[in-house]
Amino acid sequence: QVQLKESGPGLVQPSQTLSLTCTVSGFSLMDYSVHWVRQPPGKGLEWMGRMKYDGDTYYNSALKSRLSISRDTSKSQVFLKMNSLQTEDTAIYYCRRGFDFWGPGTMVTVSS
Amino acid sequence: DTVLTQSPALAVSPGERVTISCRASESVSTLMHWYQQKPGQQPTLLIYLASNLESGVPARFSGSGSGTDFTLTIDPVEADDTATYYCQQSWNDPWTFGGGTKLELK
Repeated sequence: QVQLKESGPGLVQPSQTLSLTCTVSGFSLMDYSVHWVRQPPGKGLEWMGRMKYDGDTYYNSALKSRLSISRDTSKSQVFLKMNSLQTEDTAIYYCRRGFDFWGPGTMVTVSS
Repeated sequence: DTVLTQSPALAVSPGERVTISCRASESVSTLMHWYQQKPGQQPTLLIYLASNLESGVPARFSGSGSGTDFTLTIDPVEADDTATYYCQQSWNDPWTFGGGTKLELK
């Protein structure tokens, strides 16, 4: 069945770079897009960007200068890198297949 | 960017019919999707492409609309429907979410 799972450090220091991995199973990254969405504690959802099935990427304009999404199709993994982290980047980070299946999310706290 | 506007909260009694609205700042055709998020859980898809019920979702949920005005209807509402509901459009880049509507049961 379709599954997505986010992984990464739970704690990142301010000004550092966040690296997250989304490992998928049950479908091919060459058939479906994978999106990253985040949710600060107690707040709403923010769409961050996507890796299309053809390898193209698109980013939220507010994050574009700090954000990079890549993939390794042989490992069924999609990667998120975001630099210059600040406390307001503290959030649960989700990956999602297209508009349907979501991973459980991973909490990232930005703090010294 | 396309702004999606939702009412922040609603309170209804079990057995009633509730409509949750989502208004877009520009046309999104029918590329609107609805999600339910319960506390401590990831969102789950309820309705895709404005009016299509996701597999496994109860038929009490339905969606309608096109262009700039969309509605999620729950009829009848059950206690388990207590959650926050989000709309998201995928017609215009970047994709955007509404602010969410928190549904509480009286």
